[in-house]
Amino acid sequence: AQSVTQLGSHVSVSEGALVLLRCNYSSSVPPYLFWYVQYPNQGLQLLLKYTTGATLVKGINGFEAEFKKSETSFHLTKPSAHMSDAAEYFCAVSDRGGYQKVTFGTGTKLQVIP
Amino acid sequence: NAGVMQNPRHLVRRRGQEARLRCSPMKGHSHVYWYRQLPEEGLKFMVYLQKENIIDESGMPKERFSAEFPKEGPSILRIQQVVRGDSAAYFCASSPPMVATYNEQFFGPGTRLTVL
Repeated sequence: AQSVTQLGSHVSVSEGALVLLRCNYSSSVPPYLFWYVQYPNQGLQLLLKYTTGATLVKGINGFEAEFKKSETSFHLTKPSAHMSDAAEYFCAVSDRGGYQKVTFGTGTKLQVIP
Repeated sequence: NAGVMQNPRHLVRRRGQEARLRCSPMKGHSHVYWYRQLPEEGLKFMVYLQKENIIDESGMPKERFSAEFPKEGPSILRIQQVVRGDSAAYFCASSPPMVATYNEQFFGPGTRLTVL
């Protein structure tokens, strides 16, 4: 069974500082990996995904993530935080085969301090 | 091109009543997934449906919950005799037919159910 662990349910950064949100997964084979963002009272928006190919994945709003198989990690980063980045972020995995059932982490709330 | 639509966006029910949540997938999408997000938790898979078929309901509670995706019309998640523990945000996602290696799920805005 797959699982996702997000370290830190709340992360605070200053505006302009580096954003680092951590995600580790457990899977018998390398899965598909995702980061989603959720703004208050809204649905989930896909930030980026890793399916195959280059392990450094660039997404929307300046975010990127690197798939590290040896560490079973898929940490999300952004060089400079903006106030508009304040939201909840979810790491997720899915199987490569079948219908790709998605398993989500418990989420990390990002606070950006002016 | 409209996205995934869910209604109502907010639903209030008293204990013992029924809740019906609707999901209209994106145009051309024939696969629907329902997820539940309890307060301060991530999304949990509930059920995966294709038109007129339930493919995987391993995340559905054994009692009171049911889902359908008829040939015509939206997918419906039905909760009978609601209890306070059912209060949550329910999200629907849809994806196109499985013709590619990877098929992204597109999420709706969710229905927030409050049980009094």
